[in-house]
Amino acid sequence: AQTVTQSQPEMSVQEAETVTLSCTYDTSESNYYLFWYKQPPSRQMILVIRQEAYKQQNATENRFSVNFQKAAKSFSLKISDSQLGDTAMYFCAFMYRGAQKLVFGQGTRLTINP
Amino acid sequence: DTGVSQDPRHKITKRGQNVTFRCDPISEHNRLYWYRQTLGQGPEFLTYFQNEAQLEKSRLLSDRFSAERPKGSFSTLEIQRTEQGDSAMYLCASSPRTSGRSGELFFGEGSRLTVL
Repeated sequence: AQTVTQSQPEMSVQEAETVTLSCTYDTSESNYYLFWYKQPPSRQMILVIRQEAYKQQNATENRFSVNFQKAAKSFSLKISDSQLGDTAMYFCAFMYRGAQKLVFGQGTRLTINP
Repeated sequence: DTGVSQDPRHKITKRGQNVTFRCDPISEHNRLYWYRQTLGQGPEFLTYFQNEAQLEKSRLLSDRFSAERPKGSFSTLEIQRTEQGDSAMYLCASSPRTSGRSGELFFGEGSRLTVL
């Protein structure tokens, strides 16, 4: 079964700094998707960014970008110019292509300090 | 608000009681999911519906758990004979069948269960 590992339980940075969250995963398949979801305190989880494994180009969404290293099975999230509203739990997730089940990591609690 | 709605938001019950959670997905979404999230962990998949059909069910979903989506709209998740280990946040999510963005789920705020 596939596993997703986030090795940083907590991170804290100052507003406007850049921060990188790490994620590694384990699978023997080649067709899959990777995601970063954000769960703000007491609010619903939302999708931040999505990467298709067959695409070599790293996904970007405004201040959010990923570093996808398929051979290393690594999928890190970079947040540039961090804002107070970025404070949240961030979950890395994996899904096989054609499936509907997301497998989540344990999460990283990110705090942006003023 | 046209987001995913869950009810109740909080439920405290005694061990051995039955509880039921309701989820109303985004109206045009035909896929509906239930996840369970325990404190300090990521969500774990429980089950998935496409319209009224339950297409996948996790082994985490013991025989005390049952989920339904009778008319392909709202869904219920029932836990019978609750145990303290059932204490968790139960998350519902929905997605459209064809969005070109597989894996983009729209989550509700969750139903928190505390079993005493």
